[in-house]
Amino acid sequence: QVQPQQWGAGLLKPSETLSLTCAVYGESFIGYYWSWIRQPPGKGLEWIGEINHSGSTNYNPTLKSRFTISVDTSKKQFSLKANSVTAADTAVYYCARVGSTSPWGQGTLVTVSS
Amino acid sequence: QSVLTQPPSVSGAPGQRVTISCTGSSSNIGAGYTVHWYQQLPGTAPKLLMYGNSNRPSGVPDRFSGSKSGTSASLAITGLQAEDEADYHCQSYDSSLSAVVFGGGTKLTVL
Repeated sequence: QVQPQQWGAGLLKPSETLSLTCAVYGESFIGYYWSWIRQPPGKGLEWIGEINHSGSTNYNPTLKSRFTISVDTSKKQFSLKANSVTAADTAVYYCARVGSTSPWGQGTLVTVSS
Repeated sequence: QSVLTQPPSVSGAPGQRVTISCTGSSSNIGAGYTVHWYQQLPGTAPKLLMYGNSNRPSGVPDRFSGSKSGTSASLAITGLQAEDEADYHCQSYDSSLSAVVFGGGTKLTVL
């Protein structure tokens, strides 16, 4: 199995928009939910939300709807956006298919600082 | 504050047995949702170590075992090795939140 590749801006100022994309290779994209998870420095994992190939989404209700996940099935890619970021959004962000043996993305450190 | 509760740290000498607990509630583990465990080596992404409460993916040594009872789950590691030093995270689903939930993670130190 091939590790998903993820990319996006790593340094943001407060109030800017976070934008990350994850590309899935070497496995079926259809039929599964694909998640975004984040890990603040020195802390545990926090599930942000998930999407399937048809665009059906589920989100962590504790994150106050600032996050939006979208999908481009033709490219086997899904994306994460978050508006009005603050220092509390500083974390390593991962894309993954949770509960599966599929490897997680390599992680993207997003730092929010003025 | 994580929905699933894990001890922040555990430790053991090489060759010993350690267990890591993951305590939930009646809306997640106690409701019958399966528990998965991930191993996160320093500076790397988490990797699935145990799925469906007690199943090892191919390549995971049988020194690792998982169990679930009531509202809790446990990961046991026997014959502790230096390479086992890592962070371990449990994960399940919570019906009250309608969300995937993780424990806070446990740092295993091999003395």
